[in-house]
Amino acid sequence: QQQVKQSPQSLIVQKGGISIINCAYENTAFDYFPWYQQFPGKGPALLIAIRPDVSEKKEGRFTISFNKSAKQFSLHIMDSQPGDSATYFCAAYNFNKFYFGSGTKLNVKP
Amino acid sequence: DVKVTQSSRYLVKRTGEKVFLECVQDMDHENMFWYRQDPGLGLRLIYFSYDVKMKEKGDIPEGYSVSREKKERFSLILESASTNQTSMYLCASSPGPPALYEQYFGPGTRLTVT
Repeated sequence: QQQVKQSPQSLIVQKGGISIINCAYENTAFDYFPWYQQFPGKGPALLIAIRPDVSEKKEGRFTISFNKSAKQFSLHIMDSQPGDSATYFCAAYNFNKFYFGSGTKLNVKP
Repeated sequence: DVKVTQSSRYLVKRTGEKVFLECVQDMDHENMFWYRQDPGLGLRLIYFSYDVKMKEKGDIPEGYSVSREKKERFSLILESASTNQTSMYLCASSPGPPALYEQYFGPGTRLTVT
């Protein structure tokens, strides 16, 4: 069974809008939560990550919100741009292993 | 700049063939990983290695084996390829502690088994 559940599967946002992708997990032993961005024909690249002792982390237009009690975390992309169009994966780390969500294909319309 | 390279971008093999996928990293990373990526399933870990000659099974090791004879090279072997192994295969590497969370991915090998 999937250890990290990600939604939505696809997302269409207008340029300048906010993109929000959500992930949920069950295993409370996870201790690191990264987000990856993947462009067509490329491998995923680390975008931003958070540890469970922090509720929010911001890097430029990208913010992770983390709710430890709800076992949920989300990626917010502010002022979304067409260049942000890509597939985004959340992940969770525990004991040398990364568990990935199923991915969200984001399309930012000009 | 970390570079993870994979031997082929596209590969077409026949059912029953033995298939080798090669991955090389140039940053002296301790850990190396093989994933397969399928639509709607995300990335699933096949095997990983935390040291030369050391390996551990991931979540879907059946039908695969790995080899790590040198630190920079991690090979994925499909002993007898089957059509359900048609997929995108991604190799990744990460340093040892404390930066072991930072995974760097190669561009992927799209394998088609006919």
